[in-house]
Amino acid sequence: QMQLVQSGSELKKPGASVKVYCKASGYKLISYVINWVRQAPGQGLEWMGRINTNTRNPTYAQGFTGRFVFSLDTSVSTAYLQISSLKAEDTAMYYCAGDAFDIWGQGTMVNVSS
Amino acid sequence: QAVVTQEPSVTVSPGGTVTLTCGSSTGTVTSGHYPYWFQQKPGQAPRTLIYDTTNKHSWTPARFSGSLLGGKAALTLSGAQPEDEAFYYCLLSYTGARGVFGGGTKLTVL
Repeated sequence: QMQLVQSGSELKKPGASVKVYCKASGYKLISYVINWVRQAPGQGLEWMGRINTNTRNPTYAQGFTGRFVFSLDTSVSTAYLQISSLKAEDTAMYYCAGDAFDIWGQGTMVNVSS
Repeated sequence: QAVVTQEPSVTVSPGGTVTLTCGSSTGTVTSGHYPYWFQQKPGQAPRTLIYDTTNKHSWTPARFSGSLLGGKAALTLSGAQPEDEAFYYCLLSYTGARGVFGGGTKLTVL
């Protein structure tokens, strides 16, 4: 069964960095796209961008450039989201999702608080 | 960046039919926006109901259908069930394969 399994919740201080992983289980990240989606507490979904596992080319949505980096390690079928210089407003659930959003990870809660 | 608009909240009676819509600030929504529809219940990850305007996944209940209606993407629920109470989000694709979610519709079955 194909699944995306994400890393556990994180508690970080403002200014720190966090790296969230999204591991594909039951299939390999070949010729695929991983989307990243953010959901702040009580808010809607925001498409952050995507990364192509063939070209390794990331596409970032407006508002998610600079501090947000998508990366891959296809040898372990894992995609990563790194956020640097964390701010309180980065507190959110972060989801990875497959190419056609057919598969979603369970989400990773990132809390940024001093 | 485009703005995608949805009704903030809609109420439907059990067994009733309701249509949720998804509009774009750039104009008419077409199949070229590859509209998606997602359902999200509290504490759960979203799940995709409809992709590419009208296509269903194997898990999509038959009572849900997608279409283009009046220049917007539309999600129609025919025969609402209590378990359909949830938030519904649409996603449209723009130039460069960039996606934009709508603000979501809270559907109440009452």
